[in-house]
Amino acid sequence: QVQLQESGPGLVKPSETLSLTCTVSGGSVSSTSYYWSWIRQPPGKGLEWIGYIYHSGSTNYNPSLESRVAISIDTSKNQFSLKLSSVTAADTAVYYCARVGAVASFFDSWGQGTLVTVSS
Amino acid sequence: DIQMTQSPSSLSASVGDRVTITCRASQDITNYLNWYQQKPGKAPKLLIYDVSNLEAGVPSRFSGSGSGTHFTFTISSLQPEDIATYYCQQYENLPLTFGGGTKVEIK
Repeated sequence: QVQLQESGPGLVKPSETLSLTCTVSGGSVSSTSYYWSWIRQPPGKGLEWIGYIYHSGSTNYNPSLESRVAISIDTSKNQFSLKLSSVTAADTAVYYCARVGAVASFFDSWGQGTLVTVSS
Repeated sequence: DIQMTQSPSSLSASVGDRVTITCRASQDITNYLNWYQQKPGKAPKLLIYDVSNLEAGVPSRFSGSGSGTHFTFTISSLQPEDIATYYCQQYENLPLTFGGGTKVEIK
């Protein structure tokens, strides 16, 4: 059974870049059947899709964040990563990594989530 | 973007009650609609995909129906462990979008 685990700093200063990594075990990010995605949830609020990446490196981002987001993949480490630049307090959220089907886009496996707080 | 509107935003029901949640899409999403359960402090969990298909291991008291722009999610007999927030999600178009959530509590 695939497992995903987020890692990275829990505190980021305003205007800096948020960086998170998702490590996948029990499955391969090189699979042709899935995309690898980031989703966030501000405290007490709903879910927002940030974007996803395919094993080839092809990406799709939410237009609301596209100018500040970069998702990358490292197949040798079985990891994918998120960078979000120029962060503000509005970017404070629990960030989840998740696996999503390449044909039917449902998120069938999720990491436990990591809270990132933007504050000086 | 396709807007997903859930109603109600919260509800309170008794154990054993039938609970129904509605999700409306701002445009036709055919059957590209999924449902998730999120318990406090936990990641969402996929319950239903493509409107009505139960994910493996999910109890049969959960069900979904609908098409086009109007969808429903039903718990046939509410159990204490069903206390959670439920979200719909569409994948007709990018960006993938979620409904605002429905918080289910026990009366």
